[in-house]
Amino acid sequence: KAGVTQTPRYLIKTRGQQVTLSCSPISGHRSVSWYQQTPGQGLQFLFEYFSETQRNKGNFPGRFSGRQFSNSRSEMNVSTLELGDSALYLCASSLGHMNTEAFFGQGTRLTVV
Amino acid sequence: GESVGLHLPTLSVQEGDNSIINCAYSNSASDYFIWYKQESGKGPQFIIDIRSNMDKRQGQRVTVLLNKTVKHLSLQIAATQPGDSAVYFCAENIPSGTYKYIFGTGTRLKVLA
Repeated sequence: KAGVTQTPRYLIKTRGQQVTLSCSPISGHRSVSWYQQTPGQGLQFLFEYFSETQRNKGNFPGRFSGRQFSNSRSEMNVSTLELGDSALYLCASSLGHMNTEAFFGQGTRLTVV
Repeated sequence: GESVGLHLPTLSVQEGDNSIINCAYSNSASDYFIWYKQESGKGPQFIIDIRSNMDKRQGQRVTVLLNKTVKHLSLQIAATQPGDSAVYFCAENIPSGTYKYIFGTGTRLKVLA
């Protein structure tokens, strides 16, 4: 059974640009959550999608957005990139019911220069 | 490799000894907890979970203890091996009708040969 797949693994962008990251969850999983990981802030919740609907959102500005497709694949977009957006972006896949484990992908390392 | 935290608390353990990693969680209403292991350059990997109606749960070489009175979790690793070297995170799920995890800051485990 394939795990969570995130693409691309590494990305370098310039301030002001926008970026789209992709996540393919484990087959059968309908929930996809996104997290930002930085040395200073640790793992911070961005948002969670279930059956193409955003169910929960963390405390990030509106420049961070996402969506989920009918096949459960998800994308997140960051517009008008800032240097502080440099981070490891992690996607987690789960069945989506309360109290079920979430499985993470390898992450996308975004560097904003 | 990628650093997941430059100022994480570090636990150094001799190979073959037992390790105990502690975590204080934030919300007394949290009812589900997971321990994750993150190696350099990889996403967090599920280790073991526990529900709030339990005090202890055992896996292969790992045991999680939950003390709801003081909002404390611990992860015990028996006969620690070099491959256990990683950053360990606890995550709590708050039953707010939504699905999101709050992660602790992490502890770096170093296994000494």
